[in-house]
Amino acid sequence: AQSVTQLGSHVSVSEGALVLLRCNYSSSVPPYLFWYVQYPNQGLQLLLKYTSAATLVKGINGFEAEFKKSETSFHLTKPSAHMSDAAEYFCAVSETYNTDKLIFGTGTRLQVFP
Amino acid sequence: EAQVTQNPRYLITVTGKKLTVTCSQNMNHEYMSWYRQDPGLGLRQIYYSMNVEVTDKGDVPEGYKVSRKEKRNFPLILESPSPNQTSLYFCASSPEGGYRTEAFFGQGTRLTVV
Repeated sequence: AQSVTQLGSHVSVSEGALVLLRCNYSSSVPPYLFWYVQYPNQGLQLLLKYTSAATLVKGINGFEAEFKKSETSFHLTKPSAHMSDAAEYFCAVSETYNTDKLIFGTGTRLQVFP
Repeated sequence: EAQVTQNPRYLITVTGKKLTVTCSQNMNHEYMSWYRQDPGLGLRQIYYSMNVEVTDKGDVPEGYKVSRKEKRNFPLILESPSPNQTSLYFCASSPEGGYRTEAFFGQGTRLTVV
């Protein structure tokens, strides 16, 4: 069964520092990959998605992620963290030939310090 | 405004008292799902529906029921709630083709069963 692993349940960075949130997936077929963000007391909203087009995907709020098939990874990055980036981030996968289910990782809580 | 609406946002109930959490979307989406979010476990799918009158179990369906009589509505029913169903619940919808594009989430329902 497909799965998603997010390394690090908590990540802390200083404002202005690089943000790197890790996501690895296991899928026997090329997947669709997503990053969602959850701000406090809100639902999830899409940051970016990979659907087999360009391997470097740009999303909202300056975030981007790179699909690396050889490493089965889809890490999320942002060059310079902002206080407003503090939230919980979820990586998710849907298989190309079975898009009925969206499988989520366990989430990474990002803290940004001034 | 395109949205997924869940009600209620907060609910405290007693063990064994039947309850329903409603979910409605105004985007004419075919796919709808229910997830529960628990600390350290991320989001786990309870049930999903690919269209009217078509539903299927997700990863944690025990103790839950759903129905899809109309395209826009997908209520979650707990016939006899137990304390281990205390959680944060999210409804999500997605266009035809399933989860290869963006999933839209409701604001969440925080359920406490005492």
